[in-house]
Amino acid sequence: AQSVTQPDIHITVSEGASLELRCNYSYGATPYLFWYVQSPGQGLQLLLKYFSGDTLVQGIKGFEAEFKRSQSSFNLRKPSVHWSDAAEYFCAVGSGADGLTFGKGTHLIIQP
Amino acid sequence: NAGVTQTPKFRVLKTGQSMTLLCAQDMNHEYMYWYRQDPGMGLRLIHYSVGEGTTAKGEVPDGYNVSRLKKQNFLLGLESAAPSQTSVYFCASSYGTSGGGNEQFFGPGTRLTVL
Repeated sequence: AQSVTQPDIHITVSEGASLELRCNYSYGATPYLFWYVQSPGQGLQLLLKYFSGDTLVQGIKGFEAEFKRSQSSFNLRKPSVHWSDAAEYFCAVGSGADGLTFGKGTHLIIQP
Repeated sequence: NAGVTQTPKFRVLKTGQSMTLLCAQDMNHEYMYWYRQDPGMGLRLIHYSVGEGTTAKGEVPDGYNVSRLKKQNFLLGLESAAPSQTSVYFCASSYGTSGGGNEQFFGPGTRLTVL
């Protein structure tokens, strides 16, 4: 069965500092990987996705993620965070029609 | 282009009452999904549909039923609500691709409280 682990429940980062959110997955075939962001009281917005090809994926809002097959990881990065980046971040894996499997999320707090 | 919309946004039920959540999408997507989100649990798939007239069970289907009578609508029903069904419910849709890797578009959510 597929699964996603986000080891960090909460992360606090100073505004302007760099960010890395960790995601590890378990999947039996070629994974399709996603990062979504959820602001308080809102739905989920897709930040970026990996289907195949270049293992470094660029997304919206200055985010990027790197797929590392040997480590079963798909970590999300941003070189300099802004206060507006404070939100809940979800990593997900899936393929075909039968939905996505989400991690439990990482709550990002931005310190001024 | 409204994307994915959900009705209602909020609802409070008493134990044993029934209700239907409506999801609509105007992107001509084949696939639609219902998830629930609970604190510390991420999103979990309840039911999904790969086309008009089809439905399938997800990870946590018990206590819910669904119908997809029209391509653009996906209904989630609670026949006899229980406090354990207090949650935020999200609908999503995707094009559906033969190669897999469906990008899903999410609605704004319905916050349901069962007393």
